[in-house]
Amino acid sequence: DQQVKQNSPSLSVQEGRISILNCDYTNSMFDYFLWYKKYPAEGPTFLISISSIKDKNEDGRFTVFLNKSAKHLSLHIVPSQPGDSAVYFCAASLLDNTDKLIFGTGTRLQVFP
Amino acid sequence: EAGVTQFPSHSVIEKGQTVTLRCDPISGHDNLYWYRRVMGKEIKFLLHFVKESKQDESGMPNNRFLAERTGGTYSTLKVQPAELEDSGVYFCASSPTGIYGYTFGSGTRLTVV
Repeated sequence: DQQVKQNSPSLSVQEGRISILNCDYTNSMFDYFLWYKKYPAEGPTFLISISSIKDKNEDGRFTVFLNKSAKHLSLHIVPSQPGDSAVYFCAASLLDNTDKLIFGTGTRLQVFP
Repeated sequence: EAGVTQFPSHSVIEKGQTVTLRCDPISGHDNLYWYRRVMGKEIKFLLHFVKESKQDESGMPNNRFLAERTGGTYSTLKVQPAELEDSGVYFCASSPTGIYGYTFGSGTRLTVV
């Protein structure tokens, strides 16, 4: 049973516009959420994270929003750039002593000129 | 600082054969993780080493998979005998601080035919 779900396998956005990537989770015990970006033939790279005690975290063009009551988080990219084209993975952690991340299936973002 | 190195980058083997994947973490990182992504699905946790000890191996699929970390440095993941469903991309990550500092390698794409 998948605990972290990314229901949109792909998203296409025009350069300069906002990209919104969504993620839903089922385990209310998750403490920490992360977004990773992955280019072809490379490993995932960390993008931004948010603790469960916050509802928003911003870093430059990237903002993550967390709605705990809805068990939903989203990643906003404004403005979108062609270099943002990649697969984005949402991940969650229990912040217990296991250190493991539970990932979604990813959303492929394409930013076109 | 050198990143996490994985090799081979690709491996094609026949069902029933043995394959060994290697991961060299970032120097000084006590935490080493293995993950796997089967095509189009989520990235799944396999196991976590702290130095040379297995901290959590709850994600290992079955006893055909054997992971070792010699002297707390590099790690190997052996699949013996390989089955068709073992195909996927195997990622290694290392971290000095658990989930807050993951660095992933580029992965090994394993194809079992």
